[in-house]
Amino acid sequence: EIVLTQSPGTLSLSPGDRATLSCRASQSVGSTYLAWYQQKPGQAPRLLIYGASSRATGIPDRFSGSGSGTDFTLTISRLEPEDFAVYYCQQYGGSPQTFGQGTKVEIK
Amino acid sequence: QVTLKESGPALVKPTQTLTLTCTFSGFSLSTSGMRVSWIRQPPGKALEWLARIDWDDDKFYKTSLKTRLTISKDTSKNQVVLTVTNMDPVDTATYYCARIGGCSRTSCYIDYWGQGALVTVSS
Repeated sequence: EIVLTQSPGTLSLSPGDRATLSCRASQSVGSTYLAWYQQKPGQAPRLLIYGASSRATGIPDRFSGSGSGTDFTLTISRLEPEDFAVYYCQQYGGSPQTFGQGTKVEIK
Repeated sequence: QVTLKESGPALVKPTQTLTLTCTFSGFSLSTSGMRVSWIRQPPGKALEWLARIDWDDDKFYKTSLKTRLTISKDTSKNQVVLTVTNMDPVDTATYYCARIGGCSRTSCYIDYWGQGALVTVSS
């Protein structure tokens, strides 16, 4: 199965900062078969991005996704207080779908 | 409005069978293209996809757990059921049911998640 490696493990930033999260796949997941989710403590994950770069319904445009093949990036242009959470990438180009181990974005 | 909610026992003993029910609204699993998956998350760890059932009753399982998992649906009740046999402490996790948003030829992403149900395996 395809292994997703997210980096960094933890990102310490301040509100207003730009956040750049990386997701690297052990083999190509295709050009667009990658999703990003946000998870806050005690809550279910929430879909942010699918198709590598398409924002889900209701997701603010400060969230953007890019990449293809094996290297993908989630960018949060200016961090809001509610953005501090854990972010997971997930590939659905190979079987089974797999998730990365997560990147925690914490307040510096 | 799409909602999903998991129900089932919070505590099971080793070797027992776990049965979880997902009750959903806002869509129908009899509609072409609709799919529901189960995913779990051990405490402090990453997410793991377990199984999926499609509108046409096609079923898919994580290969390493295939012998222990069964997924089924009751379209009239808007429910999906997951059973996991021979439970072990390593199966302790929050179990989520989720609606599929879209798929490649092989796998899918999720657009709506249930709140999750924590299941602890302990004697």
